[in-house]
Amino acid sequence: AQTVTQSQPEMSVQEAETVTLSCTYDTSENNYYLFWYKQPPSRQMILVIRQEAYKQQNATENRFSVNFQKAAKSFSLKISDSQLGDTAMYFCAFIRGSRSGGGADGLTFGKGTHLIIQP
Amino acid sequence: EAGVVQSPRYKIIEKKQPVAFWCNPISGHNTLYWYRQNLGQGPELLIRYENEEAVDDSQLPKDRFSAERLKGVDSTLKIQPAELGDSAVYLCASSLSSPSGFYNEQFFGPGTRLTVL
Repeated sequence: AQTVTQSQPEMSVQEAETVTLSCTYDTSENNYYLFWYKQPPSRQMILVIRQEAYKQQNATENRFSVNFQKAAKSFSLKISDSQLGDTAMYFCAFIRGSRSGGGADGLTFGKGTHLIIQP
Repeated sequence: EAGVVQSPRYKIIEKKQPVAFWCNPISGHNTLYWYRQNLGQGPELLIRYENEEAVDDSQLPKDRFSAERLKGVDSTLKIQPAELGDSAVYLCASSLSSPSGFYNEQFFGPGTRLTVL
């Protein structure tokens, strides 16, 4: 079974600052994917960024980037130039690679980090 | 393109009453997921469908929960009877799974917030 741990229940930074959210995971799988999801008060889960375990290069999406340390099983999210709209719950999630024959497991989520961007 | 649709958005019931949630996935998506999200927690998978077949329902409390996905499109999740501990947000997600093994994104609906009094 896989586990995902987010050790920061809440973080607060000033607008335009850079913030890093931490995530560690445990798995015996070698083929897997990691994600960061954003959940605003509307409850809609929005995919922020994804990382394939077989890729050594860290994923980047505009102001969002990850630091993927496979050996340490660490997957942190860095938000640069933070904006008020970034205020939300952020969840780290894991899924093992699909086996032959199709289909995909459900995502395993951490408990989340409540990020507050102060004006 | 329309996203994953769920209804109702909110539901308040008294314990021991039945309740049902409905999900319409993104058109063409063959895989459908139901997750439960307790307050202050991340979502947890309840059941996964590949077309109309439930392929992973190991986390579904089968004594009171049931689900169906007729014709491999819409899905309904039912609780009967509801207990106080069932208060949570119930999220539906869908994806297009392929035999290639490549992971395709799960798209989430807005969820149904259930309050059991």
